[in-house]
Amino acid sequence: QQQVKQSPQSLIVQKGGISIINCAYENTAFDYFPWYQQFPGKGPALLIAIRPDVSEKKEGRFTISFNKSAKQFSLHIMDSQPGDSATYFCAASQYSGGGADGLTFGKGTHLIIQP
Amino acid sequence: KAGVTQTPRYLIKTRGQQVTLSCSPISGHRSVSWYQQTPGQGLQFLFEYFSETQRNKGNFPGRFSGRQFSNSRSEMNVSTLELGDSALYLCASSFKGNYGYTFGSGTRLTVV
Repeated sequence: QQQVKQSPQSLIVQKGGISIINCAYENTAFDYFPWYQQFPGKGPALLIAIRPDVSEKKEGRFTISFNKSAKQFSLHIMDSQPGDSATYFCAASQYSGGGADGLTFGKGTHLIIQP
Repeated sequence: KAGVTQTPRYLIKTRGQQVTLSCSPISGHRSVSWYQQTPGQGLQFLFEYFSETQRNKGNFPGRFSGRQFSNSRSEMNVSTLELGDSALYLCASSFKGNYGYTFGSGTRLTVV
């Protein structure tokens, strides 16, 4: 059972454009929603994260939009640059008092920014 | 500030053997989690250790085990290796094990 569904699987955006990646979750107990960026040969790196009591969070060119009622959240990359070309993963976890129950990841989006 | 260090970076093992992977977390981080990354299944949670105790475990067979030492360093062991165990194994550390995980670059395990 895939608890976090991510789309699209791949995305091509022109330099300077907006990249949008979407995720939907099923478990309403999730209380932490991070986005990770992964380059080939490297581990995932935390980009930005949001808690469900906030509808939007912005850090530089990266923005998370969160819709609790729809159980969806998305990553927007403004003014996309060739250096943003990477694989992006959304994730979710819940804190149950004894520690977080591990991150549940989406399948990833391979983003290519064309110069 | 040093990041999460995983050793070795690459490993080739034969089916049926066992393997031990090592992870040194960021200084001060007490929680270490392990993940398996494959093209087909993506990133999957294996287990999490905090202060030498396993707190959470993912849906993996008992062949996958781990431990954490008093200095927060962690090891992961896979016994009786199968071809399907070929994957990138990632270690992540965080201060308390709730949020803000930092990943290492992983150990690429190939089982032949």
